Amino acid sequence: QTVVTQEPSFSVSPGETVTLTCGLSSGSVSPSYYPSWFRQTPGQAPRTLIYGTNTRSSGVPDRFSGSIVGSKAVLTITGAQADDESDYYCAMYVGGVIRVFGGGTRLTVL
Amino acid sequence: EVQLVESGGGLVEPGRSLRLSCAASGLKFYDYAMHWVRQAPGKGLEWVSVISWHSEIIGYADSVKGRFTISRDNAKNSLYLQMDSLRADDTALYYCVKSGGSSPLSENAFDIWGQGTMVTVSS
Repeated sequence: QTVVTQEPSFSVSPGETVTLTCGLSSGSVSPSYYPSWFRQTPGQAPRTLIYGTNTRSSGVPDRFSGSIVGSKAVLTITGAQADDESDYYCAMYVGGVIRVFGGGTRLTVL
Repeated sequence: EVQLVESGGGLVEPGRSLRLSCAASGLKFYDYAMHWVRQAPGKGLEWVSVISWHSEIIGYADSVKGRFTISRDNAKNSLYLQMDSLRADDTALYYCVKSGGSSPLSENAFDIWGQGTMVTVSS
């Protein structure tokens, strides 16, 4: 069973650039896994930020970008702001029609 | 504006059944694959199930396979999740999610999210 891994937590200072990672227990991430990124604030439904590795969803600021670096998918937030403080999830297509979410990263901006 | 409104959640005893519904508006519902994703209280997201636009391709997470059944009625712009043999670990907020394409293999699987309906399994 494929496990998708994320940092449980991450802290960043306002204005800094943050990179969150998303890995696979089975090996390296490639574009064929269609890595996607989501943001969720408390009490709200998730919102899709990035899909297909690096395509921003409609209305998502270009401060958010996706890529694959080494063996992992990466979400980069340029110029972190206080209201970027959220839970961030990634998801991968792992074969058949199956999708798997990572455990999420709680981002703190302080 | 695309809207997805889930309903049918509630408190149910272990072993019983529940049927969730998702009413879609503001889109050509029949053009898109649809997913169910759940989130247990205080926990992360878990993919549950997917159905293609024409209902011919369906998939389930191992945790619900054999107990849950996804279906859709394109004439009613509605998605359903029949949940049987419910267990305590099925307790979660269930989200209806529109795909960006008609196929379950779309690179944009989780395009638009509903607000969710809560299912609590407890005696």
